[in-house]
Amino acid sequence: EVQLVESGGGLVQPGGSLRLSCAASGFTFSSYWMSWVRQAPGKGLEWVANIKQDGSEKYYVDSVKGRFTISRDNAKNSLYLQMNSLRAEDTAVYYCARDRRYFDWQTHYYYMDVWGKGTTVTVSS
Amino acid sequence: EIVLTQSPGTLSLSPGERATLSCRASQSVSSSYLAWYQQKPGQAPRLLIYGASSRATGIPDRFSGSGSGTDFTLTISRLEPEDFAVYYCQQYGSSPPVYTFGQGTKLEIK
Repeated sequence: EVQLVESGGGLVQPGGSLRLSCAASGFTFSSYWMSWVRQAPGKGLEWVANIKQDGSEKYYVDSVKGRFTISRDNAKNSLYLQMNSLRAEDTAVYYCARDRRYFDWQTHYYYMDVWGKGTTVTVSS
Repeated sequence: EIVLTQSPGTLSLSPGERATLSCRASQSVSSSYLAWYQQKPGQAPRLLIYGASSRATGIPDRFSGSGSGTDFTLTISRLEPEDFAVYYCQQYGSSPPVYTFGQGTKLEIK
């Protein structure tokens, strides 16, 4: 069964740090881009960051640039999100998602086809 | 950066009715970069449609997507009780290479 399981969420004070993990199983993790997506309480979805299969390319939403770092360990089938200088507005459920992109008949497709259940991050004093 | 605007914000319909959800982009979007997701309370999002019109694995054929350029539509032909949820459109922008989501449409039981 294809599965993503996040962990590492919790309560942290403003300015603090937290490291999220996502364990992948049921598919060849090293063959896929991966993304983090978050959802603040009562709000919509916001893409946070993604990383290429070999870790050579990483992209971030502007609001987390310089504070968050995405990484992966293909040997451990794991994705990470190191979050520093946390702010109240970073409070959210954080999902990891398989970032599916493929080329078919001269057309590139991009979407997220597998999602974890999420881990909750609360930034508060 | 492309902005996606979904309408209506809330749609109130009865089971058996047809639902039409709109997603409008601030600039033209490649159809192959446009996806739709369903999210129920307390659950992760689920992929419904990719490439604007291709159903994901296991998605019932009452769900269909259409559109091109700046206007995209998700249609649910005949609503089932389990279809009442929040729906998001999403696009991938190659420059910059980031994803953006619409703000969502809540489909509620009338």
